[in-house]
Amino acid sequence: DTAVSQTPKYLVTQMGNDKSIKCEQNLGHDTMYWYKQDSKKFLKIMFSYNNKELIINETVPNRFSPKSPDKAHLNLHINSLELGDSAVYFCASSLSSGFRGEKLFFGSGTQLSVL
Amino acid sequence: DAKTTQPTSMDCAEGRAANLPCNHSTISGNEYVYWYRQIHSQGPQYIIHGLKNNETNEMASLIITEDRKSSTLILPHATLRDTAVYYCIVRAGGSNYKLTFGKGTLLTVNP
Repeated sequence: DTAVSQTPKYLVTQMGNDKSIKCEQNLGHDTMYWYKQDSKKFLKIMFSYNNKELIINETVPNRFSPKSPDKAHLNLHINSLELGDSAVYFCASSLSSGFRGEKLFFGSGTQLSVL
Repeated sequence: DAKTTQPTSMDCAEGRAANLPCNHSTISGNEYVYWYRQIHSQGPQYIIHGLKNNETNEMASLIITEDRKSSTLILPHATLRDTAVYYCIVRAGGSNYKLTFGKGTLLTVNP
C-alpha cells in the first residue's frame, strides 16, 4: 500500500483550463502539504492543512484552492491554468503540524504541463 | 530558519562512504538539522535529523560539529541507488511545520 498517493501522475492541459490533483494518505497523519517543484528543481511549500484546517498558505495565487474533505485527503484545484503553472506538484503528510523531528512523507508527484 | 550551504555536486565510488557536508553557520539553539534526498522523478525521502548529538539510523549517520555550524551526512557504503539530490535543511522547532528546501547536493555514485 502506498503511504501517500497522488493522482494523476501526469497531467497535460491547455492554458485557461481548470484541473484538480488528488492526494490521499493512509498513515493516519493529521497534517498534509502541497509542494511545488519548478523547472529549476526548487521545492517550495504551497499549503499545509492540519486536521482539515488551513495552517500555511505561502502567497500562492488564489487560482490555487486546496480542499481537505477529511484529514486523509488533500486535493488541489487550479483554475485558469497558466504556462507558469507547469511543474511537478508533490503532496506530503506528517504526523502533526508541531514539530520535534517530524518526518514528512511525500507522494511520487504529479507532473503538470500547461500548453 | 537558518540558511544552509551545500556543494552543488559530489561523486562517490560504489561501496565507499559518501560524506556530504553542509554549512549552517547562522543556526540558532533551537534549530534542528534535517536531511532529505530526492531520487530522480520521485518525491523527497526523509533520511535523518539531529539537534546537537550525532545520530545514526539504518540509512545514514549525521555528524554535527560541536559549535553546530556545520554537519556531515555519511552514507557508509554507497550504492548506485543512493544517486540522488541530498538536501540539508535547518528548521526551528514549533508549530506550523514547514520545511524549506534549498538546491541540495547531487550525489552521483559511480560503479
